[in-house]
Amino acid sequence: QKEVEQNSGPLSVPEGAIASLNCTYSDRGSQSFFWYRQYSGKSPELIMSIYSNGDKEDGRFTAQLNKASQYVSLLIRDSQPSDSATYLCAVNSRTGTASKLTFGTGTRLQVTL
Amino acid sequence: ETGVTQTPRHLVMGMTNKKSLKCEQHLGHNAMYWYKQSAKKPLELMFVYNFKEQTENNSVPSRFSPECPNSSHLFLHLHTLQPEDSALYLCASSQPRGELFFGEGSRLTVL
Repeated sequence: QKEVEQNSGPLSVPEGAIASLNCTYSDRGSQSFFWYRQYSGKSPELIMSIYSNGDKEDGRFTAQLNKASQYVSLLIRDSQPSDSATYLCAVNSRTGTASKLTFGTGTRLQVTL
Repeated sequence: ETGVTQTPRHLVMGMTNKKSLKCEQHLGHNAMYWYKQSAKKPLELMFVYNFKEQTENNSVPSRFSPECPNSSHLFLHLHTLQPEDSALYLCASSQPRGELFFGEGSRLTVL
C-alpha cells in the first residue's frame, strides 16, 4: 500500500510568519511530487511541483525534496490570511503519459491576524 | 473557457436512480481521471484514461461506470448507488509530467 502521510493540523501561524508543511511517502520509486491548495468547498489547485532533490522556489513558496529520506515539504514565506486552506501533498509513482497520484489527507493551515 | 469543466456541480439522487457526471477539458491533455473525495479521507483515485483507453480501475464497484469517448470528454455513469457514495467527485486531466488539473467537482448526495 503506497502511502502519503501529512499532519492534519490545524497549523496556526501569525500573518507574516513562515508556514512549514511536511509530507512523507512510502514508495521509493516515486518520481514526481506536488503540492495542491484546497479552499473549503473548492477543488484542489496546483501550486508547486518538484522532481529532483533540493529546493524549488516560486514567489513566496518553496518546495523541498529529499528522496533519501522520502520527505517533501512546502514553505510559505510572509504568510497571508488568504493562504488559509488545506494543503495536499501528492506523489506520482508512475512515469509515462498518465500519472498515478497518491494524495495525503492534507494539512489545514490557519493564518491569523 | 475554464480548463476543466464538470457538470452538474450538485446532484441529489435516490438509490434507484441513474445519473451521469460529465467532464470536459480544454487543455489539450491526453489523460483524464476520476477521483472521489470524502470527508476526513484522502482523495481516492477511481479511474484513469490515457488516449481514450482505460489504464486504471482502482477496484471501483460496478455501480460506477466510466466512459471516455475522446481525449477531451469523460463521463461517470451512476446507478443503484449507496448513501456512502455521497462525496465530491473530481475530474482531472494531465500532460505527461504528471501535473493534474482539477475541475470544480460534482457534489453528489445519495438519499
